[in-house]
Amino acid sequence: EVQLVESGGGLIQPGGSLRLSCAASGFTVSSNYMSWVRQAPGKGLEWVSVIYSGGSTYYADSVKGRFTISRDNSWNTLYLQMNSLRAEDTAVYYCARDRRSNYYDTSHGMDVWGQGTTVSVSS
Amino acid sequence: DIQMTQSPSSLSASVGDRVTITCRASQSISNYLNWYQQKPGKAPKLLIYAASSLQSGVPSRFSGSGSGTDFTLTISSLQPEDFASYYCQQSYRTPPFTFGPGTKVDIK
Repeated sequence: EVQLVESGGGLIQPGGSLRLSCAASGFTVSSNYMSWVRQAPGKGLEWVSVIYSGGSTYYADSVKGRFTISRDNSWNTLYLQMNSLRAEDTAVYYCARDRRSNYYDTSHGMDVWGQGTTVSVSS
Repeated sequence: DIQMTQSPSSLSASVGDRVTITCRASQSISNYLNWYQQKPGKAPKLLIYAASSLQSGVPSRFSGSGSGTDFTLTISSLQPEDFASYYCQQSYRTPPFTFGPGTKVDIK
């Protein structure tokens, strides 16, 4: 079964760091584009970051310079390292698999999602 | 960056109604437009990709159309399980792959 399971969320003070993990099963994380998407309480979805199958990484302006997306192929796991956390980073964080495996794929969209992990930034 | 807007932000409808949600991009995105459904406390679910292609397992009452800057999600006959929030997302060329602000569909 194709599945994503996130972990690592929790309560953290402003300025602190947290690393989210997203363990994949049923497919290989390095074969697809993989993204992080977050949702603040009562708000809409916000795209956060993507790592391409080739390893290129991109970030939303709101997290650039503070968050780092990576993957461990041996563990088939996606990560999001979050530093210098702010109150406005409080959200449910989802990892998601993109249908694309390369730039020329025309079948877009995130078709597999994790259950989400909650990050609360507060003193 | 490409900005996405949706209208309406919310709507009330009855079971059996035909529902249409629109999404507009701030510049042409060809057909790189995806639609998601999200129910409270749950992860989003991909409904439509490439503007009009139905994701596997999604009921045929859902359809998408449009290209360039203007897109539409249509539910031909609203079912009880369709009451949810709906988001469009552009995936054109390079990131950020922005989402629209969402449309909440609730029971009239």
